[in-house]
Amino acid sequence: NAGVTQTPKFRILKIGQSMTLQCTQDMNHNYMYWYRQDPGMGLKLIYYSVGAGITDKGEVPNGYNVSRSTTEDFPLRLELAAPSQTSVYFCASSYSMRYEQYFGPGTRLTVT
Amino acid sequence: ILNVEQSPQSLHVQEGDSTNFTCSFPSSNFYALHWYRWETAKSPEALFVMTLNGDEKKKGRISATLNTKEGYSYLYIKGSQPEDSATYLCASNSGGGADGLTFGKGTHLIIQP
Repeated sequence: NAGVTQTPKFRILKIGQSMTLQCTQDMNHNYMYWYRQDPGMGLKLIYYSVGAGITDKGEVPNGYNVSRSTTEDFPLRLELAAPSQTSVYFCASSYSMRYEQYFGPGTRLTVT
Repeated sequence: ILNVEQSPQSLHVQEGDSTNFTCSFPSSNFYALHWYRWETAKSPEALFVMTLNGDEKKKGRISATLNTKEGYSYLYIKGSQPEDSATYLCASNSGGGADGLTFGKGTHLIIQP
């Protein structure tokens, strides 16, 4: 099993550009999550999904959109990149909220 | 959004010594408490998930306890080794698990040989 995979690993965007961060898991987990990690701030939940077709906002959803058309994939979209979105983004999945989350390797995004 | 606090923020421990640190979380509507280990340049890896008051879990030299009535969890490391150097994150959620996890800022542990 590959677990949770994320692409790309690194990306530099100009202000106003858009991009999609890809996340795929092969563990047949219903629950998937997107976090951002800023220095000294820990992990902040952006969006999560409890199954295909169902998504919900986390703590910091502004400036992002998600979709969940399949169990495996949970892409995160940035429509109008802003410098405040410079961060490391982690995707994770789990069997349920009472089970451990498995994290992907992260995407380091810089917006200039 | 829950308020999950971890202390201390960082900790230097001599190799061979034992150590512990704290996670505090709101006790109302408690659902689950997670501990993760996060090494530099890697992704967080799960250590424990605890749901019951009084729960104690152990993995090798690492153990954790949970008090849901007063809203705290302790993580213990016995006989620290250099490979234990990492950031230890705790996270909690409430409301029947309908919301996502709220993470603390972590305890950065450095084991000095």
